[in-house]
Amino acid sequence: AQKITQTQPGMFVQEKEAVTLDCTYDTSDQSYGLFWYKQPSSGEMIFLIYQGSYDEQNATEGRYSLNFQKARKSANLVISASQLGDSAMYFCAMREGSDYKLSFGAGTTVTVRA
Amino acid sequence: EAGVAQSPRYKIIEKRQSVAFWCNPISGHATLYWYQQILGQGPKLLIQFQNNGVVDDSQLPKDRFSAERLKGVDSTLKIQPAKLEDSAVYLCASSLMAYEQYFGPGTRLTVT
Repeated sequence: AQKITQTQPGMFVQEKEAVTLDCTYDTSDQSYGLFWYKQPSSGEMIFLIYQGSYDEQNATEGRYSLNFQKARKSANLVISASQLGDSAMYFCAMREGSDYKLSFGAGTTVTVRA
Repeated sequence: EAGVAQSPRYKIIEKRQSVAFWCNPISGHATLYWYQQILGQGPKLLIQFQNNGVVDDSQLPKDRFSAERLKGVDSTLKIQPAKLEDSAVYLCASSLMAYEQYFGPGTRLTVT
């Protein structure tokens, strides 16, 4: 079974607008972590934001915020005030229990239009 | 702080040939990971090292893939012999703790 599901293969957003990228996850562990990474066309994976399963507040990092809904098992990424440089592939990932390895979703391509 | 280094950045080989990739993690990071990312998919973990010991290699095709991490620092990933389906980007990552993994630029392998 898929641990991470990203249902939006591609999205277009106008510059300066906000965009929400969906991510749902599946785990039976009580302790887990959720990550979002950005992968530009150059290929490197850039860490954006992290949410722990016991964190009571939604994580925020600059223009990135994570909408964590534990009961629904969703961890959506919100990018506010989109910039042209935000055009990239975005991956949601999860770490379970004491395991360090990450399970990644299939990714969502974001294209920001001027 | 220097990031994760990988080489080569690109490699083209014919099927049945062998190839090796090198990774130098961030200084002090005990955990090192190799991921395979096939075009249009998310990365898939191949092998995870803690210092120079293997923690998880359950998804490593051991009949053709091998990896080592000597002295708990640098690591090499080898494919021998390569198949067409091995065409992918091979990403190396390292972490100090479970909180965050730092990725290298990747090696794009094309098998013809």
